[in-house]
Amino acid sequence: KNEVEQSPQNLTAQEGEFITINCSYSVGISALHWLQQHPGGGIVSLFMLSSGKKKHGRLIATINIQEKHSSLHITASHPRDSAVYICAVNPNTDKLIFGTGTRLQVFP
Amino acid sequence: DVKVTQSSRYLVKRTGEKVFLECVQDMDHENMFWYRQDPGLGLRLIYFSYDVKMKEKGDIPEGYSVSREKKERFSLILESASTNQTSMYLCASSLIGAAGNTIYFGEGSWLTVV
Repeated sequence: KNEVEQSPQNLTAQEGEFITINCSYSVGISALHWLQQHPGGGIVSLFMLSSGKKKHGRLIATINIQEKHSSLHITASHPRDSAVYICAVNPNTDKLIFGTGTRLQVFP
Repeated sequence: DVKVTQSSRYLVKRTGEKVFLECVQDMDHENMFWYRQDPGLGLRLIYFSYDVKMKEKGDIPEGYSVSREKKERFSLILESASTNQTSMYLCASSLIGAAGNTIYFGEGSWLTVV
């Protein structure tokens, strides 16, 4: 079993829909990261969380440390949000453990 | 803006060739990482460096070596490329104590070994 599990693996949505991507982990962590990868490869950091909730524009990330679970929400989704979203955790070290990603496609 | 630059975006190499992948960051980060990304497997750590001349093996170091002679540059070396090293390679950097610091990635290098 992977130490970081994401669901769903693939997600399609219509423009404007509210989207949720989930991440569960099985190790103790000091931080959790949400990353975005567009076709072509480059990865951008969206959020780093150690507790609570963070918001940036239409993106919201939450974490529940006791339940070892995090969610990434996208409000009013847009085709430009189409990407792979990756959850990664710092297991009390500087190295990251990655989930395998959620591929999101938003159609107009 | 933090920049992590990978020198080659697309490479095609022959089996047995020596391959160098270069990565440069401009934010004076102590930590630098090399990952490979394969479908269904996610990102896997090859090597990690937390300081000049310091390196630590990741999860899949076999067939790879690294060099960090200057703080801003971290090179990944495939001594004798094999077809199973065909993959996308990503470099990343962060301040030390990344558990609490943003990690920055390069654009990726697509390597095909034929």
